[in-house]
Amino acid sequence: DTAVSQTPKYLVTQMGNDKSIKCEQNLGHDTMYWYKQDSKKFLKIMFSYNNKELIINETVPNRFSPKSPDKAHLNLHINSLELGDSAVYFCASSQGLTGGMGTQYFGPGTRLLVL
Amino acid sequence: KQEVTQIPAALSVPEGENLVLNCSFTDSAIYNLQWFRQDPGKGLTSLLLIQSSQREQTSGRLNASLDKSSGRSTLYIAASQPGDSATYLCAVRRRGGSEKLVFGKGTKLTVNP
Repeated sequence: DTAVSQTPKYLVTQMGNDKSIKCEQNLGHDTMYWYKQDSKKFLKIMFSYNNKELIINETVPNRFSPKSPDKAHLNLHINSLELGDSAVYFCASSQGLTGGMGTQYFGPGTRLLVL
Repeated sequence: KQEVTQIPAALSVPEGENLVLNCSFTDSAIYNLQWFRQDPGKGLTSLLLIQSSQREQTSGRLNASLDKSSGRSTLYIAASQPGDSATYLCAVRRRGGSEKLVFGKGTKLTVNP
């Protein structure tokens, strides 16, 4: 069983389009994250949700909108895609500060290419 | 602002060697430090997590140490194997309630048969 899954694995699209990436975790964790890994392989957090509530929002353009329908899912919607949005997007989850060891478990990534 | 640096950026060793990867961070007020492995085209796999109150963690051939006061951590890999080839990332979580991890840029390790 995959602990943290993302769909799609690859996404190739034209500039200006709107796209969504989905993430699901079956670990029973209460915190989920979105990270972006750029072409230089630098991994940086974008958002974090705890029990469906936004707790971290780094300086990310408002074209990016996360949505958490329940604590097992955190989806990322991107409007008006730009060339600079091309990257690998990773979803992760953890039990958070209040329980467990806080280890974050990562999904396999979604490779987004904007043409 | 927390900054995490990993040295070296790339390392190539023959099979069987013991090696050390280094990680340094600028703000010692951390909750924990985590080492990850990333294989090409794949996600991240958590290797070891060290809480701020701990000095080291061990898992198989891996040993991670933490010296919070000096802002350093090392990942020691014993008897390296070609299957250890990957990028190793160090990440720290800030003390004070934030869940976010701040990552270094990683060390790309190649173990040659």
